[in-house]
Amino acid sequence: EVQLLESGGGLVQPGGSLRLSCEASGFTFSTYAMSWVRQAPGRGLEWVSVISGSGRSTYYADSVKGRFTISRDNSKNTVYLQMSSLRGDDTAIYYCAKDLGRWNCLDVWGQGAPVTVSS
Amino acid sequence: DIQMTQSPSSLSASVGDTVTITCRTSETINSYLNWYQQKVGKPPKLLICAASSLQSGVPSRFTGGGSGTDFTLTISNLQPEDFAIYYCQQSYNIPRTFGQGTKVEIK
Repeated sequence: EVQLLESGGGLVQPGGSLRLSCEASGFTFSTYAMSWVRQAPGRGLEWVSVISGSGRSTYYADSVKGRFTISRDNSKNTVYLQMSSLRGDDTAIYYCAKDLGRWNCLDVWGQGAPVTVSS
Repeated sequence: DIQMTQSPSSLSASVGDTVTITCRTSETINSYLNWYQQKVGKPPKLLICAASSLQSGVPSRFTGGGSGTDFTLTISNLQPEDFAIYYCQQSYNIPRTFGQGTKVEIK
């Protein structure tokens, strides 16, 4: 069964840091790009970042550029999102998702990791 | 960035109805348009990839269409389990923006 399991969410103070992890199973992890998408409470979906299968290419939304870093360890079937200089508007559920391929649609999603930025 | 305009933002319909949701992009994206369904407390679920390609396991009452800048998601014979929020997303370029969502409610 194809599965994504996020971890690392929690409560962090403004200006703090947090690292999310997303462990994949059931597919050849290194073959697929992986994305992070977030959803603030009561709001819609916001695309955050994507990393290629090799890890050599990474892209970010302007709202997180310079503060968040996406990375992956293909030997551990895990993608990470290192978040720093966190702000209140970063409060959200963070989903990792598998990129299907050529059309870049997201065909498998994790259950989400809640992140709350508050003092 | 490519802007997404999804309409309507909400709609009320009855079981058995046919509803259509529209997504318009600010520039042409060929067929790089995807549709997701999200139920309360759950992650999004991919329904349609590449404008019209129905994902495995998704009922055939869901139909995607369009290309260029104008796209539609049509749900025929609406079922109780279809009441949810639907999002379009362009995957043509970075950032891969989402529409604001359409809430489909029971009339």
